[in-house]
Amino acid sequence: DAKTTQPNSMESNEEEPVHLPCNHSTISGTDYIHWYRQLPSQGPEYVIHGLTSNVNNRMASLAIAEDRKSSTLILHRATLRDAAVYYCILRAFNTGGFKTIFGAGTRLFVKA
Amino acid sequence: EAGVAQSPRYKIIEKRQSVAFWCNPISGHATLYWYQQILGQGPKLLIQFQNNGVVDDSQLPKDRFSAERLKGVDSTLKIQPAKLEDSAVYLCASSFSTESYEQYFGPGTRLTVT
Repeated sequence: DAKTTQPNSMESNEEEPVHLPCNHSTISGTDYIHWYRQLPSQGPEYVIHGLTSNVNNRMASLAIAEDRKSSTLILHRATLRDAAVYYCILRAFNTGGFKTIFGAGTRLFVKA
Repeated sequence: EAGVAQSPRYKIIEKRQSVAFWCNPISGHATLYWYQQILGQGPKLLIQFQNNGVVDDSQLPKDRFSAERLKGVDSTLKIQPAKLEDSAVYLCASSFSTESYEQYFGPGTRLTVT
């Protein structure tokens, strides 16, 4: 299974943009890049996903390197509510559907 | 739309006792997942169901853990007997199908084994 590498923690100021990096040098051509986040005492929630092109949604943007060996989750204006653990996940499609393997994630601290 | 429901939210048991967790997925979701999350780690998939059939249980410790989804809706996860290292949050998630890109997670059950 392809592995992702993320910094253990990052810090941001409120209302500033945040760039959360993820390395996935062993990604295969059919692996989708997904991001989930987990707020304190809650289950993870889906943020965004992509395959090759950059993606935007109401929560965030996902920038994928041309060689797909790395990606960056962009929160355009961090709020206190964005303090969470962010997981970068490669989802490989196999005979049973998508297989999701979580790493340890990046804990984001947001300062007021 | 109601989310994924789990109960109980908290459970404390002694080692060698048994425990069961219940999950009710989002209505219409065919795929159901059970994850174990140990403190400081990301969730680890234990078992995945498609309707009432098992798709993946490769990481389920089958000597002590069991799970069922008899009618393809609700699911229960059981541990018997529990060990100290089973202390974790047990998360249930569901998705419309195995091809869905988004999983919806419940709040989890925090298990403490003493």
